[in-house]
Amino acid sequence: AQKVTQAQTEISVVEKEDVTLDCVYETRDTTYYLFWYKQPPSGELVFLIRRNSFDEQNEISGRYSWNFQKSTSSFNFTITASQVVDSAVYFCALSEAETSGSRLTFGEGTQLTVNP
Amino acid sequence: EPEVTQTPSHQVTQMGQEVILRCVPISNHLYFYWYRQILGQKVEFLVSFYNNEISEKSEIFDDQFSVERPDGSNFTLKIRSTKLEDSAMYFCASRPGWPRDNEQFFGPGTRLTVL
Repeated sequence: AQKVTQAQTEISVVEKEDVTLDCVYETRDTTYYLFWYKQPPSGELVFLIRRNSFDEQNEISGRYSWNFQKSTSSFNFTITASQVVDSAVYFCALSEAETSGSRLTFGEGTQLTVNP
Repeated sequence: EPEVTQTPSHQVTQMGQEVILRCVPISNHLYFYWYRQILGQKVEFLVSFYNNEISEKSEIFDDQFSVERPDGSNFTLKIRSTKLEDSAMYFCASRPGWPRDNEQFFGPGTRLTVL
């Protein structure tokens, strides 16, 4: 069965600090997808990134970067030079391509608070 | 850019009443989903729908729940007799299918409050 663990329930930083959100996953499939979503206080889910299991190349998008390591089953998310607008709940999610019909399994989420 | 829409944005109902949550997926998408998020908790899968039938459902999706695609555009979630614990945000999502598999697009959610 697929499982996603986000061990950090809450993180609080001061603006301009770098912050890394951890995500560890479990799956029996060899083909799977990993996602990060942002949920601001308004409640919608904002898609940030999708990676497939065959692409371990790290990705950078502006102040965001993602580190995918199959050897440790981790898909961590780093925000560089954090800003107050980054304050939100961040969810990591997993989708198995072979066994579960592509439903998303979400982690518990990490509440990030960026203080001015 | 096309997007998934959901109505209403907020629904308040009395315990025991039936509610229907509506979603309009992105046109030409093939797979449809409902997820639920109880306040302060994680997002949980409820059901997936493809080719006019349920393809997978979670243990949460019991006999009180049903889904339907009554026409070519709407996708609905019905709760027959609401309970207090059904209070949550309900998200609809759609997916285009191959070759853009696993790229799910979420609607803005419907907040359901059961009194």
